[in-house]
Amino acid sequence: GQQLNQSPQSMFIQEGEDVSMNCTSSSIFNTWLWYKQDPGEGPVLLIALYKAGELTSNGRLTAQFGITRKDSFLNISASIPSDVGIYFCAGMNYGGSQGNLIFGKGTKLSVKP
Amino acid sequence: GAGVSQSPRYKVAKRGQDVALRCDPISGHVSLFWYQQALGQGPEFLTYFQNEAQLDKSGLPSDRFFAERPEGSVSTLKIQRTQQEDSAVYLCASSSGQGAIYGYTFGSGTRLTVV
Repeated sequence: GQQLNQSPQSMFIQEGEDVSMNCTSSSIFNTWLWYKQDPGEGPVLLIALYKAGELTSNGRLTAQFGITRKDSFLNISASIPSDVGIYFCAGMNYGGSQGNLIFGKGTKLSVKP
Repeated sequence: GAGVSQSPRYKVAKRGQDVALRCDPISGHVSLFWYQQALGQGPEFLTYFQNEAQLDKSGLPSDRFFAERPEGSVSTLKIQRTQQEDSAVYLCASSSGQGAIYGYTFGSGTRLTVV
C-alpha cells in the first residue's frame, strides 16, 4: 500500500542532543500526525497538525505542517533516554476515507553505545 | 475501559486455520479502525467503522479478511484460511470523533504468527 517517505530510518542519540526527522509525500495531505511506538505497544499520538504552515509544540517536541502540504518535520529538543522508540508520521486526505491514515515506515531512535 | 483492549495479545495459527481477533474500544467511542503492521513497517489501514456501520473496507487485502461491529462497540477481525503472509501485528484504534481527523487511541495489538 501507499506509504510516506520518512527519514532518517534510524538514528542514535546521546542524552541532551536535539533530534530532527521528517516525512515527505507525493500527495497533498490536509492533516499530519506524529506517533511514537514502544516495543510491544500500539502507537501513541504526540502531535496533530491541521493547517499548512502550522507549528505546534508539545513539551520538548515541535512539529510543523509544510507549506506545500506534502511534508512535515518533528524536532525533539534535549533528548532523554525515554525518547528511544519508533516515531511514525501519518497523513490523511479529506477527499479520501475519513478513516484512512497513511503511515510512514518510521524513524527508530536508539541510544548511542 | 480506560484504553483500547485487544485479545489475544499473541496468536499462533497453523496455515489454513481460521482466527478471530477481538477489539474492545474506549467506551463511547464512535469510530473504530483496524490496521495491519508488518515487521519493520508502519501500520497499514484495513477497515473503518462508524458505530456499527462499516464505512470503508478498502484496505482488507482479500476476501479472507472480514470485520464486524454488530452493536457499535466491540469489533472482531476474522481471517479465514490463514496464510504465512498474514503474519503481522493487528492494531485496533478508536476515536471519539468521526473519522481519523482527531487522531485516535491504539490498542497494544495482537501479534499473529502463521506457521
